[in-house]
Amino acid sequence: NAGVTQTPKFRVLKTGQSMTLLCAQDMNHEYMYWYRQDPGMGLRLIHYSVGEGTTAKGEVPDGYNVSRLKKQNFLLGLESAAPSQTSVYFCASSAGGDTQYFGPGTRLTVL
Amino acid sequence: QQQVKQSPQSLIVQKGGISIINCAYENTAFDYFPWYQQFPGKGPALLIAIRPDVSEKKEGRFTISFNKSAKQFSLHIMDSQPGDSATYFCAASRGGTASKLTFGTGTRLQVTL
Repeated sequence: NAGVTQTPKFRVLKTGQSMTLLCAQDMNHEYMYWYRQDPGMGLRLIHYSVGEGTTAKGEVPDGYNVSRLKKQNFLLGLESAAPSQTSVYFCASSAGGDTQYFGPGTRLTVL
Repeated sequence: QQQVKQSPQSLIVQKGGISIINCAYENTAFDYFPWYQQFPGKGPALLIAIRPDVSEKKEGRFTISFNKSAKQFSLHIMDSQPGDSATYFCAASRGGTASKLTFGTGTRLQVTL
């Protein structure tokens, strides 16, 4: 039981490049979330999903897209990366109750 | 618009002392208040949580105190240990919203020997 895993762990992009972050969970959770963590700002919700095939915007969705084609996977895409998207990205999942289980994070740098 | 305000930003406590972190919220619809603990290089993990129908919840050395009228809640760590050194986040959510959490800005706790 790996819990929540994230791929990759680190990535460096140039401005304008695109990439996809993968989150996978093996707990059969319905809800999944993407957050970004920046110094002094806590964690902010980017997008979330309440089930396979559904997605919704969070607090800071601009510049990001997501997809939930399979229940266990939640993908976060950056179509045209900007330096302002330099951050640590965390995925989380929940069974629909209150506890969210977080992955280890992806550290993204956009030059 | 910061709906959950957390203080202090950083805290240094001696081993055996009490660590206290405070949070204040604005949205009276919030009905779930968790604290998450994060070690360097790791994701946050749920530490303890409370609902507004009780004023205090204790789990081992960790206690949440909740003041509904003041819209404040706090985390107390008794007998603080070096292993408690981490960043602590308070958060809040309201029912029926897909358990979306609104986080505070975090408190970096260092417990010294």
